[in-house]
Amino acid sequence: AQSVTQLDSQVPVFEEAPVELRCNYSSSVSVYLFWYVQYPNQGLQLLLKYLSGSTLVKGINGFEAEFNKSQTSFHLRKPSVHISDTAEYFCAVTRGNYQLIWGAGTKLIIKP
Amino acid sequence: NAGVMQNPRHLVRRRGQEARLRCSPMKGHSHVYWYRQLPEEGLKFMVYLQKENIIDESGMPKERFSAEFPKEGPSILRIQQVVRGDSAAYFCASSRNDGANVLTFGAGSRLTVL
Repeated sequence: AQSVTQLDSQVPVFEEAPVELRCNYSSSVSVYLFWYVQYPNQGLQLLLKYLSGSTLVKGINGFEAEFNKSQTSFHLRKPSVHISDTAEYFCAVTRGNYQLIWGAGTKLIIKP
Repeated sequence: NAGVMQNPRHLVRRRGQEARLRCSPMKGHSHVYWYRQLPEEGLKFMVYLQKENIIDESGMPKERFSAEFPKEGPSILRIQQVVRGDSAAYFCASSRNDGANVLTFGAGSRLTVL
């Protein structure tokens, strides 16, 4: 069975510092991978996705993620965070059917 | 090009009342998903629907909860005889029928049961 692990429930980081949010998945078949962001009291918004092709995926708001098949990871990174990046970030995976498997989320806390 | 529209955004009910949450998918999307998010928890899948068909309701409680996506009109998530534990944010998402599963989410409906 597929599963998605977001190892960190919270990641505090100073403003303008780099950040990496970790996501590992378990699957023996090809998958599609997603990162969604949820700002306080809002719905989820697609940040970026990996369907095929280049393993380095660039998303909105300066975020990027790298698909590493050998390590079954899809970590999210940003070189310099802003206060406005304060949100919860969810990693999700699917095999291409309708069923998305979600991680538990990582809260990004930006310290001024 | 409106996104996924959910209403009401906030709903307050007393125990035993009924709650109806509506979701209009994005234009061109034929698949609708409902998720529940409890405070400090992640998203929990509830049900997946296409027009007039429930494809997967494995995440929905067997009693009091039902969902529909009629040929005309929005998808509706119905909770009968609400209890305090039903208080949560309910998110609707929609997607195209292209297998890529890129979901577009609504802003959510926050149900508070007094």
